[in-house]
Amino acid sequence: RKEVEQDPGPFNVPEGATVAFNCTYSNSASQSFFWYRQDCRKEPKLLMSVYSSGNEDGRFTAQLNRASQYISLLIRDSKLSDSATYLCVVNEGNNAGNMLTFGGGTRLMVKP
Amino acid sequence: EPEVTQTPSHQVTQMGQEVILRCVPISNHLYFYWYRQILGQKVEFLVSFYNNEISEKSEIFDDQFSVERPDGSNFTLKIRSTKLEDSAMYFCASVSGRGDYGYTFGSGTRLTVV
Repeated sequence: RKEVEQDPGPFNVPEGATVAFNCTYSNSASQSFFWYRQDCRKEPKLLMSVYSSGNEDGRFTAQLNRASQYISLLIRDSKLSDSATYLCVVNEGNNAGNMLTFGGGTRLMVKP
Repeated sequence: EPEVTQTPSHQVTQMGQEVILRCVPISNHLYFYWYRQILGQKVEFLVSFYNNEISEKSEIFDDQFSVERPDGSNFTLKIRSTKLEDSAMYFCASVSGRGDYGYTFGSGTRLTVV
């Protein structure tokens, strides 16, 4: 059974804080990795892909450790608008047609 | 920015009835998907569709479910004889398949079976 596990949180942080989320996946053959953001009762929206070398997009940094089957997301200088559920998502193959396996999400609440 | 469009946004149906959920994927995308999310639970894969046929399906996607791309733009999910446990948010998604594996999801159809 292919699993993606995340700490459900919630993480309650003040504005301006740095917060990190972690995720582990069970399928060592997984090829593509993503972080999605989901607001309450809305669709998942792609935040960023995660590359082996690590990658950064503004205040967001994603890391992948294939040996440990571990993915992380770091958010710097948290904004109120960052409050959402962050979904760790794994593409189970190396083809766009392969299914995505979602983690249960980590809820972030940024307070003033 | 191109969007995946889903209709209706909310569907209420009686147990045992058939429902059809509709999606218009992004026009130049090649792969189409249905996912569902029961309230408070993970997003779960149902089915993927490529080149006018199912390419992969989960154990959830049994004979009660079917998909169709009837006219080259719409992509539908039919649920026959709905059960209470089919109540969920159903998301359609598409991806171009040309070196970009980031899916675009539609805003979902909330299905309530009563």
